[in-house]
Amino acid sequence: NAGVMQNPRHLVRRRGQEARLRCSPMKGHSHVYWYRQLPEEGLKFMVYLQKENIIDESGMPKERFSAEFPKEGPSILRIQQVVRGDSAAYFCASSPSFSDRGYNEQFFGPGTRLTVL
Amino acid sequence: GEDVEQSLFLSVREGDSSVINCTYTDSSSTYLYWYKQEPGAGLQLLTYIFSNMDMKQDQRLTVLLNKKDKHLSLRIADTQTGDSAIYFCAEIDRGSTLGRLYFGRGTQLTVWP
Repeated sequence: NAGVMQNPRHLVRRRGQEARLRCSPMKGHSHVYWYRQLPEEGLKFMVYLQKENIIDESGMPKERFSAEFPKEGPSILRIQQVVRGDSAAYFCASSPSFSDRGYNEQFFGPGTRLTVL
Repeated sequence: GEDVEQSLFLSVREGDSSVINCTYTDSSSTYLYWYKQEPGAGLQLLTYIFSNMDMKQDQRLTVLLNKKDKHLSLRIADTQTGDSAIYFCAEIDRGSTLGRLYFGRGTQLTVWP
């Protein structure tokens, strides 16, 4: 059972370009979360999606950032007109539907390290 | 909002015990987690504790929870050089049923041979 896959692992963009980050959740997982890790900081929640639905995007900047999780294919985090402050590691996590135990383990991908020149 | 605090650095000698501390503010947290991040890698769940527990032991790992003081600790017995990594404390707000995690800034553990 493959883990959470993210690609690319490293992405370099110039200011003003677009960045597309992909996340394939673990098989059978229907919940996807995106987190951003700025240098020497903890992970900050950005957005939570289920198939074809955005459940909570309260952590995502209102402009330039968008996320989707289509019925088929990976979840995409899209950053338009990137700026230097967008340089960070972006992690995707997936989880199954909440179990009866209420314990929700999130499995993290290896991250995409975005560098904006 | 939720606020999770951790000390940033800890250095220990190989074979000693390590204790990493964390404080949190959300009294409605039901689960608290410890994640490990090795350089250039994603996060690996080490262990978790449910808020109605005081202690949980899993091989070399011991988690202590003081709910009154909102204090969580992770003890690693017989620390090895391979334990060198960043350790993140995280809480989940099940009250919202949204499942998002709130992370501390991470504690960089360095193990000296």
